[in-house]
Amino acid sequence: SQTIHQWPATLVQPVGSPLSLECTVEGTSNPNLYWYRQAAGRGLQLLFYSVGIGQISSEVPQNLSASRPQDRQFILSSKKLLLSDSGFYLCAWAPPRDRRNQPQHFGDGTRLSIL
Amino acid sequence: AQSVSQHNHHVILSEAASLELGCNYSYGGTVNLFWYVQYPGQHLQLLLKYFSGDPLVKGIKGFEAEFIKSKFSFNLRKPSVQWSDTAEYFCAVNGVYQTGANNLFFGTGTRLTVIP
Repeated sequence: SQTIHQWPATLVQPVGSPLSLECTVEGTSNPNLYWYRQAAGRGLQLLFYSVGIGQISSEVPQNLSASRPQDRQFILSSKKLLLSDSGFYLCAWAPPRDRRNQPQHFGDGTRLSIL
Repeated sequence: AQSVSQHNHHVILSEAASLELGCNYSYGGTVNLFWYVQYPGQHLQLLLKYFSGDPLVKGIKGFEAEFIKSKFSFNLRKPSVQWSDTAEYFCAVNGVYQTGANNLFFGTGTRLTVIP
């Protein structure tokens, strides 16, 4: 069966510091991968998605970037964190594009607090 | 672009009461619709989904949702809620881009509190 792992679960970082959140998926090949941010009262906002290695699409302009160095690895990064980057970050995966009409499956999330 | 509206931000019910959470979307084409649930301290889980066919779909834990195309709605229902249904509920709409990424657009969520 497929599983998705996100780490760390909780992170406290000072303003201006770098960020690296990692997400890996097991049990599937060539998944679509997604990074969301969940803010209180604002639901889930799609930040990035990827349909393959090295293919990253950004949905909203921001201080963050994403990379997909391996098929089942998705990394969310920042060079210098802002206070506004605080939030709950969720990684998700879905079967590849040739299998449409499939739901997304979410990781446990990372709560990021910027001080 | 797709958008999803959940008009109920916080719903408080007593056990055994009936539940209906509203979800409306805006998209002119064919849609896939989802309800996700997030229990306290847990990850987001799929509750039910609609792709095609019978507009009344049944999910886990006694939940169901009805797709009404003319109203662009996909309301979630449960005839009798339990304390364990306390959670946040998210409605989502599928947006299929040329890349086939099957991106989801989420509503802002509805927090359900069930009082024993």
